Amino acid sequence: DARVTQTPRHKVTEMGQEVTMRCQPILGHNTVFWYRQTMMQGLELLAYFRNRAPLDDSGMPKDRFSAEMPDATLATLKIQPSEPRDSAVYFCASGFVTDTQYFGPGTRLTVL
Amino acid sequence: QQQVKQSPQSLIVQKGGISIINCAYENTAFDYFPWYQQFPGKGPALLIAIRPDVSEKKEGRFTISFNKSAKQFSLHIMDSQPGDSATYFCAASMGTNAGKSTFGDGTTLTVKP
Repeated sequence: DARVTQTPRHKVTEMGQEVTMRCQPILGHNTVFWYRQTMMQGLELLAYFRNRAPLDDSGMPKDRFSAEMPDATLATLKIQPSEPRDSAVYFCASGFVTDTQYFGPGTRLTVL
Repeated sequence: QQQVKQSPQSLIVQKGGISIINCAYENTAFDYFPWYQQFPGKGPALLIAIRPDVSEKKEGRFTISFNKSAKQFSLHIMDSQPGDSATYFCAASMGTNAGKSTFGDGTTLTVKP
């Protein structure tokens, strides 16, 4: 049963620390999305990649967030420095050709 | 132009009843309209989807109704069950935009036994 995996599932950190979240897309999928979900803002698209190339990162605060795909099996989302307002659940999703997105279980981030 | 407006924000239905969630969009270039279901602590999962060449699609108890002229689409859950209690998101995307979806704000459905 192919699925998107995300690590860590939970992360508690202090303000100012660097946070790295990892995502393994479904094998063979060529599009990867990063979303942030909060009660106030709902589901926000932060960035997405196709064939490892960034297509759109307009939803991402550029001064502190960065997203990369070092290879086809790994996508990373980094926050440096982290702030309390970054507390949210971060989802990775992957897809191929069709518009269907397959979401991972999410990383719940708490910044104190 | 990129917004998808979803209503209601929350919905309470009795077991066996019909749940109806509505979405409206502005961008006529959208050509794919999925609904996602999300349970607490889980990521959203595709429930059912439709393209604008049909007005209705049914999968089991779940039906999407699509009104192209009104730029609206809705999810109907027949014979709602307590296990259907979840948050539902509508979305819209266009093929020219590499599958990037615009999501509605979500509807929290509670089905009472």
